[in-house]
Amino acid sequence: DIQMTQSPTSLSASVGDRVTITCRASQSISRDLNWYQQKPGKAPKFLIFAASSLQSGVPSRFSGSGSGTDFTLTISSLQPEDSATYYCQQSYSIPLTFGGGTKVEIK
Amino acid sequence: EVQLVESGGGLVQPGGSLRLSCAASGFTFSTYDMHWVRQVTGKGLEWVSAIGTLGDTYYPGSVKGRFTISRESAKNSLYLQMNRLTAGDTALYYCARGTTVTPGRAGPGDDAFDLWGQGTMVTVSS
Repeated sequence: DIQMTQSPTSLSASVGDRVTITCRASQSISRDLNWYQQKPGKAPKFLIFAASSLQSGVPSRFSGSGSGTDFTLTISSLQPEDSATYYCQQSYSIPLTFGGGTKVEIK
Repeated sequence: EVQLVESGGGLVQPGGSLRLSCAASGFTFSTYDMHWVRQVTGKGLEWVSAIGTLGDTYYPGSVKGRFTISRESAKNSLYLQMNRLTAGDTALYYCARGTTVTPGRAGPGDDAFDLWGQGTMVTVSS
């Protein structure tokens, strides 16, 4: 199974800050990496697919990059509504696996 | 409205069984892979099962042989039959629509999850 490791597990940043979350795969997954945002009490929301493609309707302050084993999710200018937990997920092979999540809080 | 609505969760004793349902609406259900993903309260997401458009099924080792995913396109419905339940299966179970995100590839193993239900809670306890 492919293990997905996210870092940090949590972070606190101010409105307007640039925020970067890292996701590392235990083996190469090409660009088969997706990102989700989950707010408390809500289902996850699909943000980014294929490492860097923005899902329709997602604000352009969100971006993704990476390939192989190392990936990043960047929020260019953090907004209050971005307070949430973010998960990466590999779609390279079964079983599909998620990272442990990164909780983003607003200072 | 495009949506997924889960039902069937509840309290069940260890060793018992439960069947979850997911009603899809607003899209052509038969043309999408479908998945179940679970989340223990306060913890991360775990993929539980998938079914392709042709009825091919996939499971992680943690549930293989105990859980069975199925679909009924005439009713736009997805199901998860869960047997031999343990406390470790206690979680919120989400139904999710799969979308192929890699050009030139197709199948549940290539899916991201672009639509989620609100979840149904399963509690395994005596």
